[in-house]
Amino acid sequence: NAGVTQTPKFQVLKTGQSMTLQCAQDMNHEYMSWYRQDPGMGLRLIHYSVGAGITDQGEVPNGYNVSRSTTEDFPLRLLSAAPSQTSVYFCASSYSTGSRGYEQYFGPGTRLTVT
Amino acid sequence: AQSVTQLDSHVSVSEGTPVLLRCNYSSSYSPSLFWYVQHPNKGLQLLLKYTSAATLVKGINGFEAEFKKSETSFHLTKPSAHMSDAAEYFCVVRSGGGADGLTFGKGTHLIIQP
Repeated sequence: NAGVTQTPKFQVLKTGQSMTLQCAQDMNHEYMSWYRQDPGMGLRLIHYSVGAGITDQGEVPNGYNVSRSTTEDFPLRLLSAAPSQTSVYFCASSYSTGSRGYEQYFGPGTRLTVT
Repeated sequence: AQSVTQLDSHVSVSEGTPVLLRCNYSSSYSPSLFWYVQHPNKGLQLLLKYTSAATLVKGINGFEAEFKKSETSFHLTKPSAHMSDAAEYFCVVRSGGGADGLTFGKGTHLIIQP
């Protein structure tokens, strides 16, 4: 199993540009989520999905859009990039939302810089 | 609602001495609790988890943590630090209700002195 994969690893955008961060998992996990990591802030939840066709907002959803058309893929779209979105983005997946305690598996991260 | 407080942003210990990373939580539900480690420029790796079974949880690389409900704490310990333990450590809570995502503490940077 490849686990959770993310592309690209690094990206530089200009203010106002749009792009999509890709995330895929091959473990047949129902639950997938996106986090951003900023210095001294830990990880904050952006959006999550409990299954194909179902998404919801997390703690910091503004400026981001998601969709979940398949179990495997959960792309994160930046609609109009802003310098405040400079961050490291992590995708994660786990087996179930109903059963607490199932660990989340994290991808390697995407380092995004917006100039 | 749930929250996590990691009481120290930085902890420095000498190699071979014990490690203590402190974490307090609050949760409206019986929580699941995790410790993750992140080495520089790497993703997050699960160290250990508590899911309402044994209150003393053993993890990888000699780490363990004890769930104390009366103190709402989940401190991470290791008897003897190794240079390879230098990393960022995150205490995380997941409750059964609401968004069902993880709530992360702000992290503790562990420094190992030779």
